[in-house]
Amino acid sequence: GAVVSQHPSRVICKSGTSVKIECRSLDFQATTMFWYRQFPKQSLMLMATSNEGSKATYEQGVEKDKFLINHASLTLSTLTVTSAHPEDSSFYICSASRLRSNQPQHFGDGTRLSIL
Amino acid sequence: DQQVKQNSPSLSVQEGRISILNCDYTNSMFDYFLWYKKYPAEGPTFLISISSIKDKNEDGRFTVFLNKSAKHLSLHIVPSQPGDSAVYFCAATGDFGNEKLTFGTGTRLTIIP
Repeated sequence: GAVVSQHPSRVICKSGTSVKIECRSLDFQATTMFWYRQFPKQSLMLMATSNEGSKATYEQGVEKDKFLINHASLTLSTLTVTSAHPEDSSFYICSASRLRSNQPQHFGDGTRLSIL
Repeated sequence: DQQVKQNSPSLSVQEGRISILNCDYTNSMFDYFLWYKKYPAEGPTFLISISSIKDKNEDGRFTVFLNKSAKHLSLHIVPSQPGDSAVYFCAATGDFGNEKLTFGTGTRLTIIP
């Protein structure tokens, strides 16, 4: 079946560092990728929708200058958390879907980001 | 504004019995509903879905029921197995596969051997 790979799985870094998270669709072309964030014991909250070759669409309350999203190819989207601070510590998960498919979104395994 | 709600944060069920997980939603524009299973430190895994034009969908041990008038859906797992222990999220969307998912807060299911 479809596989989505997310890297790295865990990041621990100092406050002020920028962190890049990659999301790859391994066996299909993902015209749309989604980035979610999950706080402990809470739901997955959509941050942004990323369409290949165009600017990402951010959800209300998500700072686009803070969370930079690039979807340069049909198999890769990246999320960069710029100048990360402790409040950015969270579990970030990407998902991918194939255009006009009847397949559900497939999720990566997530990235645990810890800012010291 | 929580458009998809799972009011039971946890549920314990004896192995072999039926597990019933519930989900309520408020947005009548949702056309598809999905259930995902999630283990710690992993991404959600798709289990089963249902279109708003149906009231039941079955796949092996998993059955999802939809009551549109009550804006309520449920996931039945029978018989429950120890490997079913995980957090279950219901999610809703207007376009299967291509639009954002709105997730509930999850229910932690524990199957007791």
